[in-house]
Amino acid sequence: AQTVTQSQPEMSVQEAETVTLSCTYDTSENNYYLFWYKQPPSRQMILVIRQEAYKQQNATENRFSVNFQKAAKSFSLKISDSQLGDTAMYFCALLSPVFQNNAGNMLTFGGGTRLMVKP
Amino acid sequence: DAGVTQSPTHLIKTRGQQVTLRCSPKSGHDTVSWYQQALGQGPQFIFQYYEEEERQRGNFPDRFSGHQFPNYSSELNVNALLLGDSALYLCASSLDMSGRGYTFGSGTRLTVV
Repeated sequence: AQTVTQSQPEMSVQEAETVTLSCTYDTSENNYYLFWYKQPPSRQMILVIRQEAYKQQNATENRFSVNFQKAAKSFSLKISDSQLGDTAMYFCALLSPVFQNNAGNMLTFGGGTRLMVKP
Repeated sequence: DAGVTQSPTHLIKTRGQQVTLRCSPKSGHDTVSWYQQALGQGPQFIFQYYEEEERQRGNFPDRFSGHQFPNYSSELNVNALLLGDSALYLCASSLDMSGRGYTFGSGTRLTVV
């Protein structure tokens, strides 16, 4: 069974500052993807960043970057220069299995972290 | 380029009734997955459809069933509704079950009274 744990139910940060959201996971698979999704009040899950487990280099996407520690099964999200529009629920998710034709796959989500960016 | 479209956006049903939720995937996507998100929680995987077949299933009872049509759209059916089925139901589409990128819809908010 796969599990994803987000230990910070709520966090706040001042506008323009940096914040880090934590995520740990567990899986027996070697090949998997990790994601951070943002869910604003509009309810739609928006992909923030993706990390392939076989890549050692940490993914970056503009102000968003991750610290992927495969051995420790840790996947944290750093948001730099926080903006008011970053206020939302953030979910860490694990996709597995991958590269198995026709077997299908599934996303396992953590419980989420509510981030509030204060002016 | 249309994203994932779900209908209806909101729905109120009575215990014991049956409900059908609909999803049209993003243009070019052929795989559809359904998730249940209870209030204040992360989404839980229900099942995934590809080539009109169920490819993966989460830990949900048989009351939850689905279908995928030749145009890749999908339906989620829930029978004998329980109060605990009240949730946001999210549809996500992707290409070839590759997992490289899921596109989510805005969901259907189901309330069971």
